Amino acid sequence: ILNVEQSPQSLHVQEGDSTNFTCSFPSSNFYALHWYRWETAKSPEALFVMTLNGDEKKKGRISATLNTKEGYSYLYIKGSQPEDSATYLCAFSNTGNQFYFGTGTSLTVIP
Amino acid sequence: GAVVSQHPSWVICKSGTSVKIECRSLDFQATTMFWYRQFPKQSLMLMATSNEGSKATYEQGVEKDKFLINHASLTLSTLTVTSAHPEDSSFYICSARQGRGENIQYFGAGTRLSVL
Repeated sequence: ILNVEQSPQSLHVQEGDSTNFTCSFPSSNFYALHWYRWETAKSPEALFVMTLNGDEKKKGRISATLNTKEGYSYLYIKGSQPEDSATYLCAFSNTGNQFYFGTGTSLTVIP
Repeated sequence: GAVVSQHPSWVICKSGTSVKIECRSLDFQATTMFWYRQFPKQSLMLMATSNEGSKATYEQGVEKDKFLINHASLTLSTLTVTSAHPEDSSFYICSARQGRGENIQYFGAGTRLSVL
């Protein structure tokens, strides 16, 4: 079992604050790093798929970076809004196309 | 696009009964579907991978006779928890992949199973 770790487990921020969280993963047999946004009672929504070291992806106020050599990815949210409240999951996929998930970071944005 | 529907979202059953969970890809054909289980405060753990028309591949430690998977069409996979016991109570979630080479999985919303 590969270890994918996310930190922090949870955080509360005020509306308008910017925040970021971390996903660390094994650097061997790396194929892709995935970020999902998961609201309660809904399907996890794919945010980003990153494959190359140094990749940066952006979707509105959310962006992500990837460092495959040291095995980490950051997810940034600029100017958090209450609708950003969700659990953010990362998953590492290896060259065998298997997904290994972290336990997620639960974000609560306080209006 | 790429919507996966999972049903039911929540089920309570008595110990010893069997429960079937359905996973459908609504707007694409899924060559491969995956079944995961999540216990409280833990990550999604892959139970099995199912390819349309062939037997599912189970992960180590997952009993194939306990968790029956059928992937009879390109849009439907089912997971049946047979003779459920309280220790099977968990969150089960499916995902689907469009093509064998594609690296994105699209998820259902999950099923919360409680076995009394």
